[in-house]
Amino acid sequence: KNQVEQSPQSLIILEGKNCTLQCNYTVSPFSNLRWYKQDTGRGPVSLTIMTFSENTKSNGRYTATLDADTKQSSLHITASQLSDSASYICVVSGTAGYALNFGKGTSLLVTP
Amino acid sequence: KAGVTQTPRYLIKTRGQQVTLSCSPISGHRSVSWYQQTPGQGLQFLFEYFSETQRNKGNFPGRFSGRQFSNSRSEMNVSTLELGDSALYLCASSHRQGAEKLFFGSGTQLSVL
Repeated sequence: KNQVEQSPQSLIILEGKNCTLQCNYTVSPFSNLRWYKQDTGRGPVSLTIMTFSENTKSNGRYTATLDADTKQSSLHITASQLSDSASYICVVSGTAGYALNFGKGTSLLVTP
Repeated sequence: KAGVTQTPRYLIKTRGQQVTLSCSPISGHRSVSWYQQTPGQGLQFLFEYFSETQRNKGNFPGRFSGRQFSNSRSEMNVSTLELGDSALYLCASSHRQGAEKLFFGSGTQLSVL
């Protein structure tokens, strides 16, 4: 069964600090991996999308990495801001039909 | 350009009733997909519509159905509501079927009492 596991489940950091969120998957065959940010009461917003051949992709202070060999991805947030407080969801797409596999998300709280 | 619009924003129903949720995609987007989000299960795919045809379906019972109109607007219907159907229902639109980048609406929060 295709799975996507995210860690940690929740995280609290001080404003200005960096943090890294992890995503491990077993989806095979693999098409792409996406990170979404979801603010409370809102729909998810796309941060990055990476295909098999991409190792790193950045979007402002967000940098995602992908190791397709170990089936691991990370999302690094630099110089965190209060507005980064949200749930971050890892989504892995297979190649069989419409095969989106969702992680349960990491809840990040940035405190002053 | 307006984003994905979902109505209503909040809904309270009782067990056994049915409900219809609406989704208006971004102008020019022809694919609409629906998701159920709960604290325990996270996001789960319900179905995807493209050009008024259901293209893919997730693992949900037949009580969950949907349709898409010629203007790409989509509706989702849940019949014979159960307590476990309480969730945030999200729709997303994209230019084409199975597109990598999805644009989500803010969702409809359904509570079943």
